[in-house]
Amino acid sequence: KQEVTQIPAALSVPEGENLVLNCSFTDSAIYNLQWFRQDPGKGLTSLLLIQSSQREQTSGRLNASLDKSSGRSTLYIAASQPGDSATYLCAVYETSGSRLTFGEGTQLTVNP
Amino acid sequence: ETGVTQTPRHLVMGMTNKKSLKCEQHLGHNAMYWYKQSAKKPLELMFVYSLEERVENNSVPSRFSPECPNSSHLFLHLHTLQPEDSALYLCASSQDGGGGMASSYNEQFFGPGTRLTVL
Repeated sequence: KQEVTQIPAALSVPEGENLVLNCSFTDSAIYNLQWFRQDPGKGLTSLLLIQSSQREQTSGRLNASLDKSSGRSTLYIAASQPGDSATYLCAVYETSGSRLTFGEGTQLTVNP
Repeated sequence: ETGVTQTPRHLVMGMTNKKSLKCEQHLGHNAMYWYKQSAKKPLELMFVYSLEERVENNSVPSRFSPECPNSSHLFLHLHTLQPEDSALYLCASSQDGGGGMASSYNEQFFGPGTRLTVL
């Protein structure tokens, strides 16, 4: 059974810092990996989707990498801003069916 | 309306009530999903519908009853719920290969969720 782990569970940084969020998964037989953002009490906003054949994706200040063989992904946020404060979720698409397995998330607080 | 919408956004119900959650997707997708998000736990997949057929029921109690009348609409009918069922219920949609099989690019798009409180 696929398990997704995110470290750290919570992170507090001053504005302007570059930071890295980590995601690991136990079964490397995945189709894609997706990073989401969730604001308190709200739904999920997709940030980046990395297909299994790719190694990284970039969108603005965000860069996500994928190393399938080691079962790891990182989300790099450059020049963090208070508006980046949210919970960041990592999820993997498994090869069988449309199952999407989520980690518990990293709660990020960027202090002004 | 664009994307995935959910109504109501908030719902408070007693354990003997019957209520329904509604999800509508405006993306032309052919698969829809219900997820449950409880405090301090990862999102849990509840049901998957592909081409209006239920392809996955992730051991969900029968007090939750999904309905997918067409590819754009998904309902979750609730009856005799328990307080531990209080959670954020999220709907998602995607374009997949049919029959619930993953394709190489089947990104899921999520709605804003319904915050359910069972008293």
